[in-house]
Amino acid sequence: GQQVMQIPQYQHVQEGEDFTTYCNSSTTLSNIQWYKQRPGGHPVFLIQLVKSGEVKKQKRLTFQFGEAKKNSSLHITATQTTDVGTYFCAGPAGNQFYFGTGTSLTVIP
Amino acid sequence: NAGVTQTPKFQVLKTGQSMTLQCAQDMNHEYMSWYRQDPGMGLRLIHYSVGAGITDQGEVPNGYNVSRSTTEDFPLRLLSAAPSQTSVYFCASTQGTGELFFGEGSRLTVL
Repeated sequence: GQQVMQIPQYQHVQEGEDFTTYCNSSTTLSNIQWYKQRPGGHPVFLIQLVKSGEVKKQKRLTFQFGEAKKNSSLHITATQTTDVGTYFCAGPAGNQFYFGTGTSLTVIP
Repeated sequence: NAGVTQTPKFQVLKTGQSMTLQCAQDMNHEYMSWYRQDPGMGLRLIHYSVGAGITDQGEVPNGYNVSRSTTEDFPLRLLSAAPSQTSVYFCASTQGTGELFFGEGSRLTVL
């Protein structure tokens, strides 16, 4: 069945350092979505990528969708303490959304 | 502007008890779904529905039942709770394959 793997599982960075999480799907995705979950909170939608090779930016966050539409990445430049949380990728397959295992980001002030 | 509302937020059950987690959305979304979140395992789909009267199983449906009698409501029933069902449960809705809107979650402990 569909599998979405995400690495790393955990990342500790010093405030101001960059951070990247990678997402890999076992099958081609029609689109990829990214969500952020603050500690104790619920997942909140960040962005959706649809096109092969697409790159989108939201302030310090850069999202990329691979050429084969099977992988994606989220890069945060100069992390801040407000970036703390778990970042999930998710891809639809048929009527189901498959989530990656998430990357938990800790930012050390 | 409620979005997706889940109740209860916290629940403690004894093994063998039954209960229903409620989920309601006011965005007229056709698609609704239930996920469970366990440490290190991300969000796993339990059941989903693409419209009133239509439900289907996700990755981990065993031990759970759902129904969708209206567009707004999608309750999740645990028939006979087991300690393995201790988890955080999220309801989510969307229109098509766009952004998923999540409820605030229901934290369930089964003793």
